[in-house]
Amino acid sequence: AQSVTQLDSHVSVSEGTPVLLRCNYSSSYSPSLFWYVQHPNKGLQLLLKYTSAATLVKGINGFEAEFKKSETSFHLTKPSAHMSDAAEYFCVVSDSAAGNKLTFGGGTRVLVKP
Amino acid sequence: KAGVTQTPRYLIKTRGQQVTLSCSPISGHRSVSWYQQTPGQGLQFLFEYFSETQRNKGNFPGRFSGRQFSNSRSEMNVSTLELGDSALYLCASSPRDRNYGYTFGSGTRLTVV
Repeated sequence: AQSVTQLDSHVSVSEGTPVLLRCNYSSSYSPSLFWYVQHPNKGLQLLLKYTSAATLVKGINGFEAEFKKSETSFHLTKPSAHMSDAAEYFCVVSDSAAGNKLTFGGGTRVLVKP
Repeated sequence: KAGVTQTPRYLIKTRGQQVTLSCSPISGHRSVSWYQQTPGQGLQFLFEYFSETQRNKGNFPGRFSGRQFSNSRSEMNVSTLELGDSALYLCASSPRDRNYGYTFGSGTRLTVV
């Protein structure tokens, strides 16, 4: 069965400093991995996805993530945080055994300090 | 192009009633999935439809049901509402499957009183 663990429930960063959101996954099959962001009272927006192509994936708004199979990790990074990055971030896994069901991590809430 | 549209945005219902939520996917998208988001349980998969057929179902009671029409629009129905059904219900669409990624709507906030 597939599962996702986001290692930090809250992350606080200063504007202009790097952001690192950690995600570990479990999957018996070749997984697809995603990062979504949710701003207050909004739906989920896709930041980036990994679907067995390049292991370093670039997304929108300067975010990128690296798929590391040996570590079963898919950490999200951004070199310089912006105030607008304050939101909740979800790491998501889907593998062929689960059909198209997405399994979400518990989320990481990011606070950006001026 | 237009995104995923969910209606209504907000609903207040009484315990025991039933409710129907609607989702219009992005034009050309044939896969529609539904998710429930609560503070306690996070985001949980309800079901997925593709070309009017349910392809996958999550671990929810039979009170939760859905359907998809020939134009790919989908509805979700919850019967005999319970207080615990209060949640944000999100719909997501994809052209075909997970490898294309999913686009989410803004959700329907259901409050059961």
